[in-house]
Amino acid sequence: AQKVTQAQTEISVVEKEDVTLDCVYETRDTTYYLFWYKQPPSGELVFLIRRNSFDEQNEISGRYSWNFQKSTSSFNFTITASQVVDSAVYFCALSEVLDSSYKLIFGSGTRLLVRP
Amino acid sequence: DAEITQSPRHKITETGRQVTLACHQTWNHNNMFWYRQDLGHGLRLIHYSYGVQDTNKGEVSDGYSVSRSNTEDLPLTLESAASSQTSVYFCASSLAGGPENEQFFGPGTRLTVL
Repeated sequence: AQKVTQAQTEISVVEKEDVTLDCVYETRDTTYYLFWYKQPPSGELVFLIRRNSFDEQNEISGRYSWNFQKSTSSFNFTITASQVVDSAVYFCALSEVLDSSYKLIFGSGTRLLVRP
Repeated sequence: DAEITQSPRHKITETGRQVTLACHQTWNHNNMFWYRQDLGHGLRLIHYSYGVQDTNKGEVSDGYSVSRSNTEDLPLTLESAASSQTSVYFCASSLAGGPENEQFFGPGTRLTVL
């Protein structure tokens, strides 16, 4: 069955520290997509990145980077030099085709607190 | 600018009442989704629609219904509200096509059932 596990419920770091948010997924399919969303204290969900199962290249966007490893079914997210504005709940999600439909399966989220 | 809106943003109701949460998107997206967010569970899919007159049950659909009469709107109805349905509800939409399309989320509706 599809499943996304974010084992870290809450992480607290001091500003400028690097932090990695873990995401492990389970899927039966060979074609799937992985996403990260950010939910700041204001409550809305903001799309951060999409990665398909055929592209294992790591991606960097400013202070954000993502490490996708199919061998370990992981799609981890690293924030370099964290800032207070990075404080949010981060969700990893898996999307695949199942029974002619496709759904987004979310992990339970990791709450990141960046202290000044 | 295109957007997705939800109303009301906050709602308090009583057990047994029927409640409808509105979702309206101006992206012209075919796909629309309803999720609920509860602590420790992330977001769980309630219902989804791939186009007008199409509706499908998600993971936690019991006690909820949707209808899709046009592209822009997917209202979520709680037939007889229960305290277990106290939650934050998010509507989302995405382009037609496959699972590669990211979903755009509304601001959420906080529902309290007393």
